[in-house]
Amino acid sequence: SAVISQKPSRDICQRGTSLTIQCQVDSQVTMMFWYRQQPGQSLTLIATANQGSEATYESGFVIDKFPISRPNLTFSTLTVSNMSPEDSSIYLCSAARGTSGYEQYFGPGTRLTVT
Amino acid sequence: DQQVKQNSPSLSVQEGRISILNCDYTNSMFDYFLWYKKYPAEGPTFLISISSIKDKNEDGRFTVFLNKSAKHLSLHIVPSQPGDSAVYFCAASARSNSGYALNFGKGTSLLVTP
Repeated sequence: SAVISQKPSRDICQRGTSLTIQCQVDSQVTMMFWYRQQPGQSLTLIATANQGSEATYESGFVIDKFPISRPNLTFSTLTVSNMSPEDSSIYLCSAARGTSGYEQYFGPGTRLTVT
Repeated sequence: DQQVKQNSPSLSVQEGRISILNCDYTNSMFDYFLWYKKYPAEGPTFLISISSIKDKNEDGRFTVFLNKSAKHLSLHIVPSQPGDSAVYFCAASARSNSGYALNFGKGTSLLVTP
């Protein structure tokens, strides 16, 4: 398994601002992912964070809104840009060893509230 | 479009009895299935998984059954313990442009009562 930490654990932000969430893994991992869980909904994959190259986004998510960085094999950031109340969610980072990405280990999540 | 469905939002079971959590999926390309457990204020924790080439996988008190023809899987917990009280998410994986994306259900909240 892998131990994953996220910062901040929660934040309250104003509409129109941006927030960057950090994800740190305790050991090198091949794959890192970012998910969103809106209230009452399931976890939805935002993007795969690729080390040294641009992230791969799922349908409905774009780089301008959710820029992602992954400078090395243990760290990634997700920025939620130009926030609106609809962005209020829990944002979770996950990591997987190997290239299959099947068994992912999750961080504790960042609870974001946009007012 | 929800490709993984957990139709029971909650389940209550007495300690010592069997808990059965169900999950249905619609995408026949899914080839790997996982169950995650989530406590409040924590991230999901991987519990058990099964490949589409198998119909059963067992790990201690936890067993996952897969019925591919029915596109249905279930998680059995025997015997149930109060510490099992959590939200359980079913997830399925199929290769996408981004690799192996996990598609999650909405979760079933399990309460095990003493």
